[in-house]
Amino acid sequence: DVKVTQSSRYLVKRTGEKVFLECVQDMDHENMFWYRQDPGLGLRLIYFSYDVKMKEKGDIPEGYSVSREKKERFSLILESASTNQTSMYLCASITGGVQTQYFGPGTRLLVL
Amino acid sequence: SQQGEEDPQALSIQEGENATMNCSYKTSINNLQWYRQNSGRGLVHLILIRSNEREKHSGRLRVTLDTSKKSSSLLITASRAADTASYFCATVAPRGATNKLIFGTGTLLAVQP
Repeated sequence: DVKVTQSSRYLVKRTGEKVFLECVQDMDHENMFWYRQDPGLGLRLIYFSYDVKMKEKGDIPEGYSVSREKKERFSLILESASTNQTSMYLCASITGGVQTQYFGPGTRLLVL
Repeated sequence: SQQGEEDPQALSIQEGENATMNCSYKTSINNLQWYRQNSGRGLVHLILIRSNEREKHSGRLRVTLDTSKKSSSLLITASRAADTASYFCATVAPRGATNKLIFGTGTLLAVQP
């Protein structure tokens, strides 16, 4: 079975802190995604990556950056956390040619 | 940009009843997928229907797709309390080389025992 793991289930940070969210998949998938999920807004794509060191902006990239140094790991970085970045963050991965995404359990981030 | 809109936003039924959720989308698609999310957890893929398919079954799930109306429905038959979750539709654009999914806002299903 595909396994996608995220470094933390719950995270509390202060405004202005730099925050790293890590995602690891164990199935050699090329494509990886970061979403945020907010009530009433569904899932919105922040960034995605289709290969090592490659990244593309999603629908709401402002305030975020990403890093993909290894195929199995995709990191989401909040350079200076703000309260409006309080949300549920979901990572997903997919292999090329197959269009079903596998999701991690999510990280619930609270920025105070 | 949001592609799918689910209807209803919330649905409460009794165990054993059928649950129907609808999804409308705006642009052409390669396929449409349904996902389930238990409270506070990640999403789990349920079923995928391609643009040239009209109906698909998987266990107690039945999905229909009407590309002329840009809509899809998910039917869960003989519902169980364990089906309580949020359900999302998601679309993939034609020739979507990056496999990018666009999600709807979801339907919250509550199945009362």
